[in-house]
Amino acid sequence: DVKVTQSSRYLVKRTGEKVFLECVQDMDHENMFWYRQDPGLGLRLIYFSYDVKMKEKGDIPEGYSVSREKKERFSLILESASTNQTSMYLCASSQNRVGGETQYFGPGTRLLVL
Amino acid sequence: AQSVTQPDIHITVSEGASLELRCNYSYGATPYLFWYVQSPGQGLQLLLKYFSGDTLVQGIKGFEAEFKRSQSSFNLRKPSVHWSDAAEYFCALNFGNEKLTFGTGTRLTIIP
Repeated sequence: DVKVTQSSRYLVKRTGEKVFLECVQDMDHENMFWYRQDPGLGLRLIYFSYDVKMKEKGDIPEGYSVSREKKERFSLILESASTNQTSMYLCASSQNRVGGETQYFGPGTRLLVL
Repeated sequence: AQSVTQPDIHITVSEGASLELRCNYSYGATPYLFWYVQSPGQGLQLLLKYFSGDTLVQGIKGFEAEFKRSQSSFNLRKPSVHWSDAAEYFCALNFGNEKLTFGTGTRLTIIP
């Protein structure tokens, strides 16, 4: 069975802290994605990666960075957390760089920045 | 620019009644089309997807969707909803690369 796991379901951080969100997939997928989900805005793509050490900006990359040192793991980094980064963060993966691939999602991390 | 519109933010349906969730897109060609469901506190699960061919697509949990090119629509339907169908539903499009563009979602409430 396909599995995408995220390191935390809930996180509470203080403004200015460095925050790491981890995502692991066990399907040997090429692509991995980070989204944030906010009420009324749907899912917005922050960054994605199509190979180890490769990344591309999504629609809202400002304030975020990513790291993919191993194929199965994709990390989202908030260098200095701010209250407007309070959100639900979803990780996803898909098999390869062609159109129409299904994305498989993790359960999400709900981040609160105080 | 490509876009996805889900015009209904929130829909309430009685258990056992039929359901239709609307999705419209803007794009110059036929995209790949998806419906995902998100149960409370969970990630997204694929319900169904359309690539080409038969315009009526069957999915999991008794859902189906119909692609209508003339209306640029991909509406999701279910003949009889169950209380467990209460969730948020997202329509999404892919334009031939690895990225998905999502609609803003429709929240479904089921009343007994």
